[in-house]
Amino acid sequence: GQQLNQSPQSMFIQEGEDVSMNCTSSSIFNTWLWYKQDPGEGPVLLIALYKAGELTSNGRLTAQFGITRKDSFLNISASIPSDVGIYFCAGTNAGNNRKLIWGLGTSLAVNP
Amino acid sequence: NAGVTQTPKFRVLKTGQSMTLLCAQDMNHEYMYWYRQDPGMGLRLIHYSVGEGTTAKGEVPDGYNVSRLKKQNFLLGLESAAPSQTSVYFCASFRLGAPEETQYFGPGTRLLVL
Repeated sequence: GQQLNQSPQSMFIQEGEDVSMNCTSSSIFNTWLWYKQDPGEGPVLLIALYKAGELTSNGRLTAQFGITRKDSFLNISASIPSDVGIYFCAGTNAGNNRKLIWGLGTSLAVNP
Repeated sequence: NAGVTQTPKFRVLKTGQSMTLLCAQDMNHEYMYWYRQDPGMGLRLIHYSVGEGTTAKGEVPDGYNVSRLKKQNFLLGLESAAPSQTSVYFCASFRLGAPEETQYFGPGTRLLVL
């Protein structure tokens, strides 16, 4: 099945550093979503993007919907230990029964 | 409002045994989904439902069956479990017209097939 290309696959950073990850697709989407999954839990939505070029923030997190509608990035500023987890991007289109196409995730480790 | 709940949380099966995983949501969502998550594979859609009494195949439906007899419940069945079905299973739900186009996930069911 189709999957998004998400990079990097993993990151190990020092507390306080900024983090950037991105997703690309061969097809366009009209919605991009960023989820975080903590160990032993289900994914939780961080940011939803609905318009090409849109830049949206949620606290220290900022995400952008690429102008071509085929990519998106997520930035985390001033990382803290609780940012540890796996970050997933997902794309969807309204006419596809809201099925999500997922990236394989970026595993983030933060060294206090 | 409990959101999306899944039972059981953890189960060990022997090859060939059957079981049913239950997903329940109290948000009156129309759409429900079953995923499996394996290391390095991300989330893969097994089956989904766009309303009570309807189901459809996802990306990896073989070996699974589903039923949506009530709007709030979505059941995933394994008729004859195989070791390849060892995985973490997540249920999700979605409401049409919601301000956010997002699926809400349950906490997962961890299944080990020996």
